[in-house]
Amino acid sequence: GAGVSQSPSNKVTEKGKDVELRCDPISGHTALYWYRQSLGQGLEFLIYFQGNSAPDKSGLPSDRFSAERTGGSVSTLTIQRTQQEDSAVYLCASSFLGFGNGYTFGSGTRLTVV
Amino acid sequence: RKEVEQDPGPFNVPEGATVAFNCTYSNSASQSFFWYRQDCRKEPKLLMSVYSSGNEDGRFTAQLNRASQYISLLIRDSKLSDSATYLCVVSGGYNKLIFGAGTRLAVHP
Repeated sequence: GAGVSQSPSNKVTEKGKDVELRCDPISGHTALYWYRQSLGQGLEFLIYFQGNSAPDKSGLPSDRFSAERTGGSVSTLTIQRTQQEDSAVYLCASSFLGFGNGYTFGSGTRLTVV
Repeated sequence: RKEVEQDPGPFNVPEGATVAFNCTYSNSASQSFFWYRQDCRKEPKLLMSVYSSGNEDGRFTAQLNRASQYISLLIRDSKLSDSATYLCVVSGGYNKLIFGAGTRLAVHP
């Protein structure tokens, strides 16, 4: 596609529920990244995919967080048993091979846990 | 210590002013450097890469000092539309980028 697409754009969920966030990267981009941004804070790295494998998942905050990527394209970030501190904007970015020319971000999913 | 440190601002400047932002980074092995711009409630967008020799893109000039691990962004002739948060970004391990928390710029008439 023309840009990185994320869905849903907004998600309100009750504490304890599971949520799935989806990212559709730019066609042909092999690298995909998930970040999150809490209100007034900087971007926090979560996980990096090259193709379907994740060589760096060091930023996932707990075992409630998991992510997968299939077909070298779409990625889903799953948060199990959501907590209020999970509330943030979850941003996906993609690039061709690596970060050499910077990333292109999607418009994010704003997650609110109530 | 944060990996990328920036003055959060805000910098309040009149239209036409020249304004400079600085940032420092902790990882001497970082090889790639960028400035991103983020508008309120929007995703970050790449403003420019930063090269060792310094580089310019219109009204924007970026400088890198590897010895001091310091990056700067200069904006000349500020426009109202330059109002945004400017993110200093450096490469980390494994193809990831590390973002600073950003410096907020407000340009007023």
